[in-house]
Amino acid sequence: AQSVTQPDIHITVSEGASLELRCNYSYGATPYLFWYVQSPGQGLQLLLKYFSGDTLVQGIKGFEAEFKRSQSSFNLRKPSVHWSDAAEYFCAVGASGNTPLVFGKGTRLSVIA
Amino acid sequence: DARVTQTPRDKVTEMGQEVTMRCQPILGHNTVFWYRQTMMQGLELLAYFRNRAPLDDSGMPKDRFSAEMPDATLATLKIQPSEPRDSAVYFCASGPEGSGELFFGEGSRLTVL
Repeated sequence: AQSVTQPDIHITVSEGASLELRCNYSYGATPYLFWYVQSPGQGLQLLLKYFSGDTLVQGIKGFEAEFKRSQSSFNLRKPSVHWSDAAEYFCAVGASGNTPLVFGKGTRLSVIA
Repeated sequence: DARVTQTPRDKVTEMGQEVTMRCQPILGHNTVFWYRQTMMQGLELLAYFRNRAPLDDSGMPKDRFSAEMPDATLATLKIQPSEPRDSAVYFCASGPEGSGELFFGEGSRLTVL
């Protein structure tokens, strides 16, 4: 069965500092991988996705993620965090086509001045 | 700007009452998903449809929950009778054929007293 682990429940970073959110997945075949962001009271917005090809993918809002098959990881990074990045971040895994995504429990990001 | 629309945004009801949540998927998307979000369990898949046909509703308590797509522009999730443990945010998401990407609505926050 597919599963996603986000080891960090809550992370606090200073504005302007770099960020890395961890995601590990369990899936038998080549996964489709996603990062979504959720602001309070809002739905989930797609940041980026990986299906195949280049293992470093670029997303919106300056985010990027790297797929590492050997480590079953898909960590999210941003070189310089802005206060507006404070939100909940979810990693998700799916199969090809429009099958349901399995989500991690999320990492809450706080940004301090 | 195409978006998934959910109603109601907030619903407070008493235990035993019937609750119906509605979702208008993005026009042209052929897959529709219902997820439930709670602090304890995170995002859980309740049901999903492809071309209006239900493909998987194993995540729903069958005795009280039902999900339907009367037409391509409307998906419904009904709880009857509702219980306090059903209190959660319910998200609808839709996706175009083959993309793997889900577009989420803003959710329906349900509180059962």
